[in-house]
Amino acid sequence: GNSVTQMEGPVTLSEEAFLTINCTYTATGYPSLFWYVQYPGEGLQLLLKATKADDKGSNKGFEATYRKETTSFHLEKGSVQVSDSAVYFCALSHNAGNMLTFGGGTRLMVKP
Amino acid sequence: NAGVTQTPKFRILKIGQSMTLQCTQDMNHNYMYWYRQDPGMGLKLIYYSVGAGITDKGEVPNGYNVSRSTTEDFPLRLELAAPSQTSVYFCASSYTGTSGRDTQYFGPGTRLTVL
Repeated sequence: GNSVTQMEGPVTLSEEAFLTINCTYTATGYPSLFWYVQYPGEGLQLLLKATKADDKGSNKGFEATYRKETTSFHLEKGSVQVSDSAVYFCALSHNAGNMLTFGGGTRLMVKP
Repeated sequence: NAGVTQTPKFRILKIGQSMTLQCTQDMNHNYMYWYRQDPGMGLKLIYYSVGAGITDKGEVPNGYNVSRSTTEDFPLRLELAAPSQTSVYFCASSYTGTSGRDTQYFGPGTRLTVL
């Protein structure tokens, strides 16, 4: 079956540091890949997505590239801000039911 | 647009009680979903619906029931609450065609505690 594995957190960084959150997946064929973000006390919001190999999703300074050869979709940001503190979820969608399979989430804490 | 709304925000139940979690979307989305999120874990799909009158089980359906009588509403019913159902529940919706690769929009969640 499908599965998503993310690096465990929490990840603690200083403001303006470089961020990488690793995500790898297992799926047959060509899933779509997503990063969702959950701010404290809120629901999940789509951060970015990619629907085919070598696509790069980007939003709010975050980027992730769909790498089929390594089955990865790592999230990166060049300079994090305190306001980026949240839980980040990697997910894939791979069927006509559009059902999402989520990773366990990675909590990011950015200190001033 | 309010997007996806959920009520209540918080609820405490006693073992064996029942309740309904409400979910409404105003985006005319055809697909709707219920997920649960346990502490420190990712979301798991409970039930989903591809349109009014059509529902199907997800990964963890036991102990829950759903109905979809309108496009807008997708309530989740807990009949005999158990401590294992303590979780945060998220409703989501999407406009999904044949590709099955569409963005889901989430509500703010309902935090349920069963004691």
